[in-house]
Amino acid sequence: DAGVIQSPRHEVTEMGQEVTLRCKPISGHDYLFWYRQTMMRGLELLIYFNNNVPIDDSGMPEDRFSAKMPNASFSTLKIQPSEPRDSAVYFCASSLATSRTVKTSYNEQFFGPGTRLTVL
Amino acid sequence: GENVEQHPSTLSVQEGDSAVIKCTYSDSASNYFPWYKQELGKGPQLIIDIRSNVGEKKDQRIAVTLNKTAKHFSLHITETQPEDSAVYFCAASPRGSTLGRLYFGRGTQLTVWP
Repeated sequence: DAGVIQSPRHEVTEMGQEVTLRCKPISGHDYLFWYRQTMMRGLELLIYFNNNVPIDDSGMPEDRFSAKMPNASFSTLKIQPSEPRDSAVYFCASSLATSRTVKTSYNEQFFGPGTRLTVL
Repeated sequence: GENVEQHPSTLSVQEGDSAVIKCTYSDSASNYFPWYKQELGKGPQLIIDIRSNVGEKKDQRIAVTLNKTAKHFSLHITETQPEDSAVYFCAASPRGSTLGRLYFGRGTQLTVWP
């Protein structure tokens, strides 16, 4: 497997523009996570999905951010309109819950290479 | 929710010396504690993990210890090499409704000088 794939790897845009980040998780994984990494705030979880359903979006900064997972092999994170403070590296990660019958999960998360977003 | 604290934020060691990074967590229900290494320009990658029924785990030059009573766990790297230079993140995963989620520490920038 090629691992988690993210595109684009770099994005430079102007304030006010719409930005769409894309992620293809590892085939067969049932969890997908979107993270944002900055020097000031470290690695922040924005939202995560289980079986394409959003489970927790409490980390999404504001209404300008939205995420979708239309199928098991694709997810998008959209920022509209973008602002300079959105500049960061955005990571997508996927994992497979090792148990579906008990409420414990030992789940290695596999990260993509990230998208470096710069909003001017 | 879970809160993970990580120290130190930066660590510099001489090649061949040992490096120790420490983390504490707040949720006693947490039962899975992975460590990730992030090299420059790449995503974090799992290097070792430990589960709550184990006190220590070793894999070649790296080891992790867990003290559930004190709610802290540590990463130990022996015989450090320049290629160990990276940012290291600890994380904790609790049971229950937050199934699948990891809570990360702020990271430690490790620099190994040749």
